[in-house]
Amino acid sequence: AQSVTQLGSHVSVSEGALVLLRCNYSSSVPPYLFWYVQYPNQGLQLLLKYTSAATLVKGINGFEAEFKKSETSFHLTKPSAHMSDAAEYFCAVSGGSGGSNYKLTFGKGTLLTVNP
Amino acid sequence: KAGVTQTPRYLIKTRGQQVTLSCSPISGHRSVSWYQQTPGQGLQFLFEYFSETQRNKGNFPGRFSGRQFSNSRSEMNVSTLELGDSALYLCASSRDSVGLKTGELFFGEGSRLTVL
Repeated sequence: AQSVTQLGSHVSVSEGALVLLRCNYSSSVPPYLFWYVQYPNQGLQLLLKYTSAATLVKGINGFEAEFKKSETSFHLTKPSAHMSDAAEYFCAVSGGSGGSNYKLTFGKGTLLTVNP
Repeated sequence: KAGVTQTPRYLIKTRGQQVTLSCSPISGHRSVSWYQQTPGQGLQFLFEYFSETQRNKGNFPGRFSGRQFSNSRSEMNVSTLELGDSALYLCASSRDSVGLKTGELFFGEGSRLTVL
């Protein structure tokens, strides 16, 4: 079974500082990994995804994530935080038994606060 | 083009009642999946429907059920409500059968259920 663990339920950074949100995964097969963002009172939006192509994945709003198989990690980074980045971020892994039998398993989420 | 629409956005029920939530996917999308989001458990997969058939389900009791209509709109029902069912219920749509594999999901804003 697939699972993801997000380290840190709350991360606080200053505007302009580096953003680093941590995610480790567990998967018995090569995983599909994702980061989603949820702004207050909204649904989730896909930020970026890893699907076994390039290990460094670039997403929207300047975010990127690096897949490291040796560390089973898929951490999300952004060089310079902006106030508009304040939101909750979810790491997720896709798993299934093949065919169309897939489901997404989400981490517990990391709330990012950006201080002026 | 219109996004995923969930109704109602907010509702309050009492223990023992039942509730029906509705999800209208993006036009042309045939897959609809449902998730329960709570502060303690995070996002948990409920079930997925594709072309009116339930293809996958999560680990929820039989009180949670759903269906999909020929126009791809989906409903989920929770019977005999318990306090622990208070949550944000999110639905997501995708164009085809591999949306849950590739993560190309489009989420609605959710229906927030409070059980008193």
